Amino acid sequence: GQSLEQPSEVTAVEGAIVQINCTYQTSGFYGLSWYQQHDGGAPTFLSYNGLDGLEETGRFSSFLSRSDSYGYLLLQELQMKDSASYFCAVSNTGGFKTIFGAGTRLFVKA
Amino acid sequence: EPEVTQTPSHQVTQMGQEVILRCVPISNHLYFYWYRQILGQKVEFLVSFYNNEISEKSEIFDDQFSVERPDGSNFTLKIRSTKLEDSAMYFCASSGDATYEQYFGPGTRLTVT
Repeated sequence: GQSLEQPSEVTAVEGAIVQINCTYQTSGFYGLSWYQQHDGGAPTFLSYNGLDGLEETGRFSSFLSRSDSYGYLLLQELQMKDSASYFCAVSNTGGFKTIFGAGTRLFVKA
Repeated sequence: EPEVTQTPSHQVTQMGQEVILRCVPISNHLYFYWYRQILGQKVEFLVSFYNNEISEKSEIFDDQFSVERPDGSNFTLKIRSTKLEDSAMYFCASSGDATYEQYFGPGTRLTVT
């Protein structure tokens, strides 16, 4: 089976940096993705890691360690609009099945 | 910017009725997915579809569910006999590469009464 663990909730202040961790257990791991979802909205893709290391996209970065079955999403220069739920998701071999974690609710305070 | 569209935005149906949820994926994408999300919970994978056949499906996707790509643009999810517990937001997604970015549609909220 597949399972993912991520914190349920994180609070940070505007301008700060926050890291959301994700650990996973899966067979046939292929890659780790991150999605953002605002209340009432659809998930939107943020980042994907197929190989170990850091991927950077603007204010967002994502890291993967396959040997540790661990990844994180790093959000820098937090803005109020970053308040949302963030999901890590693992894809199996071939990438045809993507399993989402339970999500981390990020609250950004002024 | 290309986007995935879904219709209807909200569907109310009675238990036992059949529903068809419709999606138009991004035109040059080859991989299609259906997910569902019960209010306040995580996004759950239902099925993936590639080359006109199901690639993977989850335990949720039982015989009551089916998918179809009836023409070159639409991708549908049919629930044959709806149950109360099928009430959820259903998202369609598509990608150009199975391992990479999935573009989600706005969702169809299904309410079974």
